[in-house]
Amino acid sequence: GQQLNQSPQSMFIQEGEDVSMNCTSSSIFNTWLWYKQDPGEGPVLLIALYKAGELTSNGRLTAQFGITRKDSFLNISASIPSDVGIYFCAGQTVGGDKIIFGKGTRLHILP
Amino acid sequence: EPEVTQTPSHQVTQMGQEVILRCVPISNHLYFYWYRQILGQKVEFLVSFYNNEISEKSEIFDDQFSVERPDGSNFTLKIRSTKLEDSAMYFCASSAGGPLNTEAFFGQGTRLTVV
Repeated sequence: GQQLNQSPQSMFIQEGEDVSMNCTSSSIFNTWLWYKQDPGEGPVLLIALYKAGELTSNGRLTAQFGITRKDSFLNISASIPSDVGIYFCAGQTVGGDKIIFGKGTRLHILP
Repeated sequence: EPEVTQTPSHQVTQMGQEVILRCVPISNHLYFYWYRQILGQKVEFLVSFYNNEISEKSEIFDDQFSVERPDGSNFTLKIRSTKLEDSAMYFCASSAGGPLNTEAFFGQGTRLTVV
């Protein structure tokens, strides 16, 4: 079935550093989504991307939808302690009604 | 701000019992979803629901699972005879639909513990 490969699995960074994570797939997706999940909470939508090549920002977050529609990256600039959590990429399947999630990137920020 | 609400937040049930997880999607949304997340793992798609019927389902969503929209606001997931491996967080989500409104908004989840 369709799968999203998300990397890295986890990251340990210093506060103030920039962060980059990405997702790839062998399948084309209509929409790429980036979510953040805090412990015990549901995923919260960060950014939605609809067009190939689209680059979208949301505050310190920037995400791009790859030209081939098979990949996306998320950048976080100047990380702060509340950025800690798990970041999931997700893609909506072409012609389908489901959103598939990657395995997540766990972000740790060192004091 | 509109949000997806789920009840209960935590449900403990005995193996073999039926459980119903409840969700109230965002009011003008047309697509509804159930997802499952086993502790420490990724969010897995179970089922999508549109126009009062299932539009897509995963292999996880077998005959033990069913969904219903009994009235204009609730969306429920029923597990007929729970197994230990059904223990997970269950998330409901909804989206407005349409080519530029496909992003799904998630509820806070129901933690199901089967003992």
